Amino acid sequence: AQTVTQSQPEMSVQEAETVTLSCTYDTSESDYYLFWYKQPPSRQMILVIRQEAYKQQNATENRFSVNFQKAAKSFSLKISDSQLGDAAMYFCASYWGGSQGNLIFGKGTKLSVKP
Amino acid sequence: DVKVTQSSRYLVKRTGEKVFLECVQDMDHENMFWYRQDPGLGLRLIYFSYDVKMKEKGDIPEGYSVSREKKERFSLILESASTNQTSMYLCASSLDLAGGTNVLTFGAGSRLTVL
Repeated sequence: AQTVTQSQPEMSVQEAETVTLSCTYDTSESDYYLFWYKQPPSRQMILVIRQEAYKQQNATENRFSVNFQKAAKSFSLKISDSQLGDAAMYFCASYWGGSQGNLIFGKGTKLSVKP
Repeated sequence: DVKVTQSSRYLVKRTGEKVFLECVQDMDHENMFWYRQDPGLGLRLIYFSYDVKMKEKGDIPEGYSVSREKKERFSLILESASTNQTSMYLCASSLDLAGGTNVLTFGAGSRLTVL
């Protein structure tokens, strides 16, 4: 079975510092896609960043970047210059394609940002 | 921007009642999804639909049914609500299932409490 694991239920970071959220996955597929979604308190979930497995270059979106280690099946999210608005639940997800359309989500990491 | 609207943010129902959760998206997306979100369990797929009148079971379909009579609307039905269905329900849509375009846009969620 395909799985996504987030080993850190909660993380904390000081404002303006950098934090890394961990995610590992397990698949036998060669082609797949990985995502990080953010769910702020009482607000809807939004896409933060995505990575195609066939691309070696790590994806970057402003202060958010990933460290994609395909051989290790690791997909961590780095948030630089953390801001108070970054406080949220972060979910790692993967999609292995096909007609099922199902993204597999991790259990989430709650990030707190201290002023 | 794609908008996914869930008709109710909060509902309180009694055991045995029939419950309808409605979801509408306004950007002609092919696919629509219903997830259930519980603390410590992440998001679990209940059902998804890739076309009008088409549906596929997700990981936890028991106790639920869905309806998609029009492309923009996807309803989740609890035929006889039970207390273990107390949860946050998230609707999402995506353009298509082709690899990286299966990016989900989420609604704000519907928090259901069954007494």
